[in-house]
Amino acid sequence: DVKVTQSSRYLVKRTGEKVFLECVQDMDHENMFWYRQDPGLGLRLIYFSYDVKMKEKGDIPEGYSVSREKKERFSLILESASTNQTSMYLCASSIGTGDTYEQYFGPGTRLTVT
Amino acid sequence: LAKTTQPISMDSYEGQEVNITCSHNNIATNDYITWYQQFPSQGPRFIIQGYKTKVTNEVASLFIPADRKSSTLSLPRVSLSDTAVYYCLVGGGGNKLVFGAGTILRVKS
Repeated sequence: DVKVTQSSRYLVKRTGEKVFLECVQDMDHENMFWYRQDPGLGLRLIYFSYDVKMKEKGDIPEGYSVSREKKERFSLILESASTNQTSMYLCASSIGTGDTYEQYFGPGTRLTVT
Repeated sequence: LAKTTQPISMDSYEGQEVNITCSHNNIATNDYITWYQQFPSQGPRFIIQGYKTKVTNEVASLFIPADRKSSTLSLPRVSLSDTAVYYCLVGGGGNKLVFGAGTILRVKS
């Protein structure tokens, strides 16, 4: 079975802190994704990576950056956390060169910024 | 980007067939339609994907009319464990993924 793990289930940070969210997948997938999920808004794509060191902006990249130095690891970085970044963050991976393939999601990280 | 519209919630009883419809009027030629299921405190899980006509797997069927401007997820004989949020996803190629707001399905005994 494909496994996508995220470094923390719950995280509490202060406004202005630099925050790292880590995601690791064990199936050699090319594509990795970061989403945030908010009540009533569903899932919104933050960033997408289709290869090591490659990244593309999603719908809401402002305030975020990403890093993919190794194929299995995709990190989401909040350079200076703000309260409006309090949310559930979900990482996903998929095989193939496009996004028509099944995506495998991690359990999510619930981030609270105070 | 193709936006999607789904009902906010639906109620059903155990043993019934449930149909959830998603509207995607601006779907592009190369877009696929995918449905995901999400339980509380878990990430979404893939259910089914299709491009046109009908697709069936062991858990659901997906009906897509010829104009592809809508799709219907059909869950046969639901049980209490099918209570979840169901997302309709339209996209294809690159990062142009669009999730709907999701439909909360509540199955009652």
